[in-house]
Amino acid sequence: QLQLQESGPGLVKPSETLSLTCTVSGGSISDSSFYWGWIRQPPGKGLEWIGNIYYSGSTYYIPSLKSRVTISVDTSKNQFSLRLSSVTAADTAVYYCARGPAVYLSYWYFDLWGRGTLVTVSS
Amino acid sequence: QSVLTQPPSASGTPGQRVTISCSGSSSNIGSNIVNWYQQLPGTAPKLLIYSNNQRPSGVPDRFSGSKSGTSASLAISGLQSEDEAGYYCAAWDDSLNGVIFGGGTKLTVL
Repeated sequence: QLQLQESGPGLVKPSETLSLTCTVSGGSISDSSFYWGWIRQPPGKGLEWIGNIYYSGSTYYIPSLKSRVTISVDTSKNQFSLRLSSVTAADTAVYYCARGPAVYLSYWYFDLWGRGTLVTVSS
Repeated sequence: QSVLTQPPSASGTPGQRVTISCSGSSSNIGSNIVNWYQQLPGTAPKLLIYSNNQRPSGVPDRFSGSKSGTSASLAISGLQSEDEAGYYCAAWDDSLNGVIFGGGTKLTVL
């Protein structure tokens, strides 16, 4: 069955760029039935949606992070990636990649999640 | 502070029915569907309810969702020890132009 796996550095210095990759296995990221997203969760806190991408490259970002976020897709590697620039300690969180059905924006939900990866921002 | 308001905690005894509320506004719950996620300790969230009241395959019918106006509720009947988890509501917000989550409710099975 389809699985998602996050990978990337667990420690990033303040002001640098956080980069994570989500590898999709057991299915194709080019499947037009789905979109792909990133959600994060600071330690001991709630969930925060970061953004979504469609296999065609169309993206949607949370406005509060839009100036610092880039989500991209690499269909040849069956991966999609997150880049978050100018990080601070407030960006320390578990980052999850997830999948959802390709429905209209207001109907979005995430039906499959990766295990998550902890990224700590510290010097 | 989350745009969607949930009680931080809830509790119940095995076999009991508990409900978790999620309060929003006209720009989110009032005009869009609500989804619910369950997060067992130390694990990733799992989709529990989508489109207000739909259960994904494999989710027991002990879990049910409802929506009225600008509020939504998750009900769990026949409470079991394995239901002890965090529960999050989520919806699209037309004003913020994005997906928003509630602050989460930690359910304790006594």
